[in-house]
Amino acid sequence: SQQGEEDPQALSIQEGENATMNCSYKTSINNLQWYRQNSGRGLVHLILIRSNEREKHSGRLRVTLDTSKKSSSLLITASRAADTASYFCATDNGDDKIIFGKGTRLHILP
Amino acid sequence: DAGVTQSPTHLIKTRGQQVTLRCSPKSGHDTVSWYQQALGQGPQFIFQYYEEEERQRGNFPDRFSGHQFPNYSSELNVNALLLGDSALYLCASSSYSLGQGLAYGYTFGSGTRLTVV
Repeated sequence: SQQGEEDPQALSIQEGENATMNCSYKTSINNLQWYRQNSGRGLVHLILIRSNEREKHSGRLRVTLDTSKKSSSLLITASRAADTASYFCATDNGDDKIIFGKGTRLHILP
Repeated sequence: DAGVTQSPTHLIKTRGQQVTLRCSPKSGHDTVSWYQQALGQGPQFIFQYYEEEERQRGNFPDRFSGHQFPNYSSELNVNALLLGDSALYLCASSSYSLGQGLAYGYTFGSGTRLTVV
């Protein structure tokens, strides 16, 4: 079963623009993570935000978490062609396994 | 520092056959989780192994079984293959801090693409 749900399902933007993806989840969580997947291969961990954190940055990535709304957002600033990929949010509700959403397919146009 | 290694990369099997997929976790990680990812979908949790025991299991039939060895490597076995088992199978390793749970994110292997014909 899927815990998180990303929105939008697909996103196309021009290179250099910012990309924002959202994730909503259903039950309380220990932490929420974002992953990137290129061309159906392995997932790459981008960032982990704990339930007591509200915002986290890593390079061009900014993640926010609103536990009252059970939602998170991932912002990629100054997008590049190499950012073209699928992005997944995943939640850990404290039982030490993570559950993924269906993902957002991001396409950066030249 | 080697990451997660999965073998084989690709596999074609016939319906009804059995398959074994292998995973070596990242150095320093002691927990292995397996996921199934159908085309265009998010990864679905199959099960997780820690200290050579199945600690968590997702909504998958008993045809899916696994094993973890003393060196933390793991195998995923699928019996009586169905066409619907065709998917990318991902192995992820992790470690846990006492009292803090998951310390960092999972480290994933590149996956095994299984095609059942």
